Amino acid sequence: QKEVEQDPGPLSVPEGAIVSLNCTYSNSAFQYFMWYRQYSRKGPELLMYTYSSGNKEDGRFTAQVDKSSKYISLFIRDSQPSDSATYLCAMSESGNTPLVFGKGTRLSVIA
Amino acid sequence: NAGVTQTPKFRILKIGQSMTLQCTQDMNHNYMYWYRQDPGMGLKLIYYSVGAGITDKGEVPNGYNVSRSTTEDFPLRLELAAPSQTSVYFCASSVSRYEQYFGPGTRLTVT
Repeated sequence: QKEVEQDPGPLSVPEGAIVSLNCTYSNSAFQYFMWYRQYSRKGPELLMYTYSSGNKEDGRFTAQVDKSSKYISLFIRDSQPSDSATYLCAMSESGNTPLVFGKGTRLSVIA
Repeated sequence: NAGVTQTPKFRILKIGQSMTLQCTQDMNHNYMYWYRQDPGMGLKLIYYSVGAGITDKGEVPNGYNVSRSTTEDFPLRLELAAPSQTSVYFCASSVSRYEQYFGPGTRLTVT
């Protein structure tokens, strides 16, 4: 079983839809959870991060962590064509351990 | 503020050739990383550094070497290029492990 599992998609939604992106993981020691966004032919950029369990909201984006289920989610409200990108989840055990990335989910928001 | 810069943007190598991928950051970050990204496979850590003079192997170090003589620069050396090293290479830097800033990438083809 891979450490971090992420459905690669592609996921195609109409503009204005609510998008749910998810990752599951097997390592119960993961404490830091990140979402990176990567536009085509660009480097990833950090979108959100959370520590341990709970929710975090930033504008149209909400990150959720459920450590009991080893499941994290990123919700995008009122999705826009500019949200079309690949979304990568990433996790680490502590501030001193390397990140483990999911394979990424490719999202297309259709106008 | 340039952030993380990488050169070259593209390169085609013949099997057995060598080359150095350059990475420079101007944010005075201690942490620097090299990743490779293959289609549909997410980001794999090759090498990382926690400061000048200190480097360590990541998940896929074979066939690569690094050095870190200054805070700003973290070059990646490929010796005896092989087709399996065809990939997109990203350099990143960070203050903390999770908030990593990525460069634009180098697309390398080995034929």
